[in-house]
Amino acid sequence: GENVEQHPSTLSVQEGDSAVIKCTYSDSASNYFPWYKQELGKRPQLIIDIRSNVGEKKDQRIAVTLNKTAKHFSLHITETQPEDSAVYFCAAFYGSSNTGKLIFGQGTTLQVKP
Amino acid sequence: KAGVTQTPRYLIKTRGQQVTLSCSPISGHRSVSWYQQTPGQGLQFLFEYFSETQRNKGNFPGRFSGRQFSNSRSEMNVSTLELGDSALYLCASSLEVRVQETQYFGPGTRLLVL
Repeated sequence: GENVEQHPSTLSVQEGDSAVIKCTYSDSASNYFPWYKQELGKRPQLIIDIRSNVGEKKDQRIAVTLNKTAKHFSLHITETQPEDSAVYFCAAFYGSSNTGKLIFGQGTTLQVKP
Repeated sequence: KAGVTQTPRYLIKTRGQQVTLSCSPISGHRSVSWYQQTPGQGLQFLFEYFSETQRNKGNFPGRFSGRQFSNSRSEMNVSTLELGDSALYLCASSLEVRVQETQYFGPGTRLLVL
């Protein structure tokens, strides 16, 4: 089936610490895994994505790793800041080259304490 | 470029009524996907349209329908509203040169069913 599990559901860290969010996906997911950040009352915004031809991608303080064998991918945020506080969603693309859909994890509420 | 827009932003309806929500994609984007976001179920895929054709559909009852116009604008309709349809309805557009393109979300329409 099409399923994405995301953990933890809530995460509280001190400013400056790192935060890690993990997602696992079921067999039939293809090769596109985006991460979205949703601040309170705002739209989800893409922060980083990874395709299965690479194992890691980094953009400043944010990185994503992908382990295709274990079927999991993770978001790493280093040097967290209060403005990183938001709900983070992972997603996996299910489908073919012609059509498909994003299946989202349940979300992780990240709180960064100043 | 202007981002994805959705109208109306807020809507209050009563059970049994129907509702139509509108989504205007980013200029040049041809694919529009719809999602329902609720606290309990997270982001759930409703359907995806490309070139006026529904290419993919999620696991929602037939009361949920949609369409896409030649200018790529999309509408979704929910008939015979139920209390459980109260949610934030998000649309997302993508370029669709390839299927696994980044999806950009609109601000959503918050629907409350009384």
